Amino acid sequence: ETGVTQSPTHLIKTRGQQVTLRCSSQSGHNTVSWYQQALGQGPQFIFQYYREEENGRGNFPPRFSGLQFPNYSSELNVNALELDDSALYLCASSFQGGDSPLHFGNGTRLTVT
Amino acid sequence: AQRVTQPEKLLSVFKGAPVELKCNYSYSGSPELFWYVQYSRQRLQLLLRHISRESIKGFTADLNKGETSFHLKKPFAQEEDSAMYYCALRPYTGTASKLTFGTGTRLQVTL
Repeated sequence: ETGVTQSPTHLIKTRGQQVTLRCSSQSGHNTVSWYQQALGQGPQFIFQYYREEENGRGNFPPRFSGLQFPNYSSELNVNALELDDSALYLCASSFQGGDSPLHFGNGTRLTVT
Repeated sequence: AQRVTQPEKLLSVFKGAPVELKCNYSYSGSPELFWYVQYSRQRLQLLLRHISRESIKGFTADLNKGETSFHLKKPFAQEEDSAMYYCALRPYTGTASKLTFGTGTRLQVTL
């Protein structure tokens, strides 16, 4: 069973730039969610994708967007980067329906300078 | 809106001592509560959930709706329990993946 994998592991960007983070879900999972974890904080829910559509969103502005592909992998895009976007971005996959728990990836550490 | 509070950033105990990691929540509806753990250099993983009512690695947690708490307990701490622990809440209805996490408690078990 392949776990959730994220790329890249680390990334440095400049304020105002755009970034794309990638996630491959665990085999058999059809739902992907993204979380932002700032230093010293717990993960915060950004959004969830199911059947290639966003079907749940946290308190994040529209410049945070995503995609889910037919193979259930996903991308998180952030436009017009701000210094406060510096954080660990976690991807989690699960199986929609039933009591499937979330399986997290190792995260992408984004630094905005 | 829902909120999860973990009042302790760090809890340091001796090996063999009892452990209690505190978690309080606020939510007007019916919540589902979880404990997640992150060991050093490992990914965040589910430790236990209240609906399972099971003991994992010697840890238990009981949902107390009157006190809105879901404290994590273990009678005898082991060195391998040293990790970051997060309490999380999810409404029974709504987005399945939308967990609200607390800020976490680092458990340090020393000899």
